[in-house]
Amino acid sequence: DQQVKQNSPSLSVQEGRISILNCDYTNSMFDYFLWYKKYPAEGPTFLISISSIKDKNEDGRFTVFLNKSAKHLSLHIVPSQPGDSAVYFCAASTRNAGGTSYGKLTFGQGTILTVHP
Amino acid sequence: GAGVSQTPSNKVTEKGKYVELRCDPISGHTALYWYRQSLGQGPEFLIYFQGTGAADDSGLPNDRFFAVRPEGSVSTLKIQRTERGDSAVYLCASSFGQGGSTEAFFGQGTRLTVV
Repeated sequence: DQQVKQNSPSLSVQEGRISILNCDYTNSMFDYFLWYKKYPAEGPTFLISISSIKDKNEDGRFTVFLNKSAKHLSLHIVPSQPGDSAVYFCAASTRNAGGTSYGKLTFGQGTILTVHP
Repeated sequence: GAGVSQTPSNKVTEKGKYVELRCDPISGHTALYWYRQSLGQGPEFLIYFQGTGAADDSGLPNDRFFAVRPEGSVSTLKIQRTERGDSAVYLCASSFGQGGSTEAFFGQGTRLTVV
């Protein structure tokens, strides 16, 4: 049962254009969402996150949008750069029973982004 | 060190053998996670420690897998009677845990190959 899905295995965009990576989830208990970037032979690197009380979070060239009713989030990268070429994972989490912290992350399968010069 | 460190970076073992994978988290991080990533998939949760105790071990696939964190810092993932299906990249991550930042920082992983 894949609770977090990234339906596009790959995405190719031109340098300077917008990259939009999509993610869908099924578990309505998820209340915190993150995007990670991964280069070959390295561990995932945190990019940006969003709490379920928000619908948008922006950090420089990266913006994450959350649509709770559709159980959908997306990552926008503007403008895209060749150095952004990597595998992007979305992940989701829920607060623990005491509401004090988050535990495990549930990841999507990843989307390979290629930005062409 | 500044980041999460995992050793060894690569491990090749024969089917049926026992292996240990080590993780040194970021200093001061109370939460530590183990994930497993197979080719073409996202990381899959195995176990989560808050301090010395396993807060959630629901992702461990069977009783051949065990993890410890005796002093609340370094953790060891132990796999008994390895099988070819255990071949994957094993990722460790740490975070501030309760009341702190929720972002988990990952190590580079240990690539385990069972032949």
